Amino acid sequence: QVQLQESGPGLVKPSQTLSLTCTVSGGSISSGSYYWSWIRQPAGKGLEWIGRIYTSGSTNYNPSLKSRVTISVDTSKNQFSLKLSSVTAADTAVYYCARRHTAIYGMDVWGQGTTVTVSS
Amino acid sequence: QSALTQPASVSGSPGQSITISCTGTSSDVGGYNYVSWYQQHPGKAPKLMIYEVSNRPSGVPDRFSGSKSGNTASLTISGLQAEDEADYYCSSYTSSSTLEVFGGGTKLTVL
Repeated sequence: QVQLQESGPGLVKPSQTLSLTCTVSGGSISSGSYYWSWIRQPAGKGLEWIGRIYTSGSTNYNPSLKSRVTISVDTSKNQFSLKLSSVTAADTAVYYCARRHTAIYGMDVWGQGTTVTVSS
Repeated sequence: QSALTQPASVSGSPGQSITISCTGTSSDVGGYNYVSWYQQHPGKAPKLMIYEVSNRPSGVPDRFSGSKSGNTASLTISGLQAEDEADYYCSSYTSSSTLEVFGGGTKLTVL
């Protein structure tokens, strides 16, 4: 059974770059046809889709964050990553990684989430 | 402001049925059968409950059902149980460049 686990610094200074990694276990990130996504949730608020990467490496981003976001994949490590530049306090949130099969609209596997605080 | 509109809260007693609505536009909910619903307990990750409007993933009780009419999708939970108390989010594909949008979430209270 595939599991996802987010990792990365819990505290980032304003104007710096937030970097998170999602490690896939129980299966290969390269097998099958999946979108690997990042979603965030500020405390007490709703979910926001950040973007996704396809198994082939092609990406799609939320236009509201596109200028600051990069999602990449490292198949050798069975990981995909999120970089968000020029962060502000508004980027403080729980960040989740999740998987979605390309033929099914619904993210069926989620990581447990990691809290990132932007503060000096 | 979320792209999809959900009621902030709904409540029901054990054994009753409740319905949570999710209203969008013809560019998202109304235009495609690509609506999913997620359940989120406090401090936990969301869990997929319904995909593509009305399909249940393996392991999700059949007390949970989904439907759509026009620009509004709905999640119905019948035979409410205490463990159903959680936040529920809808999500839809959108033809805008955003691709995926969520509702603002609905807090379900089991009285």
